[in-house]
Amino acid sequence: AQKITQTQPGMFVQEKEAVTLDCTYDTSDQSYGLFWYKQPSSGEMIFLIYQGSYDEQNATEGRYSLNFQKARKSANLVISASQLGDSAMYFCAMRRPISSGSARQLTFGSGTQLTVLP
Amino acid sequence: EAEVAQSPRYKITEKSQAVAFWCDPISGHATLYWYRQILGQGPELLVQFQDESVVDDSQLPKDRFSAERLKGVDSTLKIQPAELGDSAMYLCASSSPDRAGANVLTFGAGSRLTVL
Repeated sequence: AQKITQTQPGMFVQEKEAVTLDCTYDTSDQSYGLFWYKQPSSGEMIFLIYQGSYDEQNATEGRYSLNFQKARKSANLVISASQLGDSAMYFCAMRRPISSGSARQLTFGSGTQLTVLP
Repeated sequence: EAEVAQSPRYKITEKSQAVAFWCDPISGHATLYWYRQILGQGPELLVQFQDESVVDDSQLPKDRFSAERLKGVDSTLKIQPAELGDSAMYLCASSSPDRAGANVLTFGAGSRLTVL
């Protein structure tokens, strides 16, 4: 079974500073996908960034980057130049190999509440 | 920008009553998911559809929950009877295979249920 662990229930960061949100995972699959989603207080889950297990380079999307360390089974999200609008809940999630239909579903961690301070 | 539509946005009901949620996925997305998110936790999958067929409903409490996607487009999730522990956000998502192999799930705004 897959498991996602997010050990930081809450994090604070000063506006314009960078912050790292931790995520570790456990899987026996060789092929898998890792995702980060943002959930503002409004409730909608917003996709941020994706990393495939065979991707050699760390994924980047604007101010978001994913620090992927396969041997350590970690997929930390780095947000550079934090903005007040970044205050939200952040979830790490994992998908099993795409070949199996039922495996397209995501397994989520428990989330990290990020608060950006002015 | 294409989005997943959900309704109602908020629902308050008394225990033992029936409640239903509706989801309209992004056009062309064959895979549809219903997740339940209890306050302070991550979403957990209830049911996954591929077109009109159920792919995975292993975590769906079938004694009170039912889900259907009759024509392989929109979907309804029903709870009957509702219990206090069903208070949660019900999230619908849809996905389609992409060239990058990511299969990104796009979520709706969710339906927040409160059972009194």
